[in-house]
Amino acid sequence: KQEVTQIPAALSVPEGENLVLNCSFTDSAIYNLQWFRQDPGKGLTSLLLIQSSQREQTSGRLNASLDKSSGRSTLYIAASQPGDSATYLCAVSGGATNKLIFGTGTLLAVQP
Amino acid sequence: DTGVSQDPRHKITKRGQNVTFRCDPISEHNRLYWYRQTLGQGPEFLTYFQNEAQLEKSRLLSDRFSAERPKGSFSTLEIQRTEQGDSAMYLCASSLRATDTEAFFGQGTRLTVV
Repeated sequence: KQEVTQIPAALSVPEGENLVLNCSFTDSAIYNLQWFRQDPGKGLTSLLLIQSSQREQTSGRLNASLDKSSGRSTLYIAASQPGDSATYLCAVSGGATNKLIFGTGTLLAVQP
Repeated sequence: DTGVSQDPRHKITKRGQNVTFRCDPISEHNRLYWYRQTLGQGPEFLTYFQNEAQLEKSRLLSDRFSAERPKGSFSTLEIQRTEQGDSAMYLCASSLRATDTEAFFGQGTRLTVV
């Protein structure tokens, strides 16, 4: 059974700092890995999708890496801003239906 | 296209009542998923539709829950005889058929059972 773990559960950093969020999964038979952002009481916003054959994806200040063999992904946020404060969720997809299995998220607070 | 749309955004109901939620996926997406998220947790898979066919249901989906996707367009999720434990955010997502495509989520429906 696929299990996804995210570390740390919460993180507080001063504005401008670079930071790394970690995600690990137990079964390497995945189709892809997605990072999402969730603001309080809201739905999920997709940030980056890494297909199983890829090693990393970049979007603006965000860079996500994938090491499928070790079951790990990282989300790197450069020059953090208070607007980056949110919960960041990692999810892997697999199986015939391509459903997502989520971690419990990392709650990020960027202090001005 | 404005993305995945869910209605209502919030629902407060008394225990024992029935509730129904609606999801309108991105128009060309034939895969549709329902997830449930409780406070402090990641979303958990409930059910999956490919076009109008419901192809997978989680064991979380008790017999009080039913989902439909008539004509392969919008979907509804009904909860009968609601219980306090049903209080959660119900999220809908859609994607294209290929396995390596991105899933897009709606804003969710927050259900509170009192």
